[in-house]
Amino acid sequence: AQSVSQHNHHVILSEAASLELGCNYSYGGTVNLFWYVQYPGQHLQLLLKYFSGDPLVKGIKGFEAEFIKSKFSFNLRKPSVQWSDTAEYFCAVNARISGAGSYQLTFGKGTKLSVIP
Amino acid sequence: GAGVSQSPSNKVTEKGKDVELRCDPISGHTALYWYRQSLGQGLEFLIYFQGNSAPDKSGLPSDRFSAERTGGSVSTLTIQRTQQEDSAVYLCASSRPGDETKNIQYFGAGTRLSVL
Repeated sequence: AQSVSQHNHHVILSEAASLELGCNYSYGGTVNLFWYVQYPGQHLQLLLKYFSGDPLVKGIKGFEAEFIKSKFSFNLRKPSVQWSDTAEYFCAVNARISGAGSYQLTFGKGTKLSVIP
Repeated sequence: GAGVSQSPSNKVTEKGKDVELRCDPISGHTALYWYRQSLGQGLEFLIYFQGNSAPDKSGLPSDRFSAERTGGSVSTLTIQRTQQEDSAVYLCASSRPGDETKNIQYFGAGTRLSVL
């Protein structure tokens, strides 16, 4: 079955520290990859996406992610975090679950990021 | 334009009661999804509607859960005989017509369900 693993449950960083959140997926076919963010009290929103082309994708607020096909990974990075980046981050993979089924977005369990001012 | 709207935002119910959760997708979005978000469990897919096609119900956890989408727009998720383990945030998302492999889903704020 398709699955998405996020390595860290809770990450605590000081402002200006660099961030890398791990995401690995288990699916051998063509996938489309997403990172969603949920700020406190707000709804989920798209941070960035990868469909094809350059494996290094840039999203909003200075975030980027690198797709490494050989490692089935799509890690999220930011060189210098801010207090306003405190949120929960979800990696997601869109792929067909079974031969005739619909495409489904499978989410990881999320990583909570706390940035200390 | 308006985003995905869900109501109620909070629902407290007693074990054994039925509840209905409502989702208004973004106008023109033909695909609608329901997810369940439990503490520390990420988002669990429940059901997917695409236009007038039969819904993909593969994620519904039991036959107490059902969903309808009337007129290709508003959707209602019904949970019958609620149990305490049904307590979670229920999220609805919609996406535009087109390539479903690349669909970007737009989420509502969710309904927080608490079963006492």
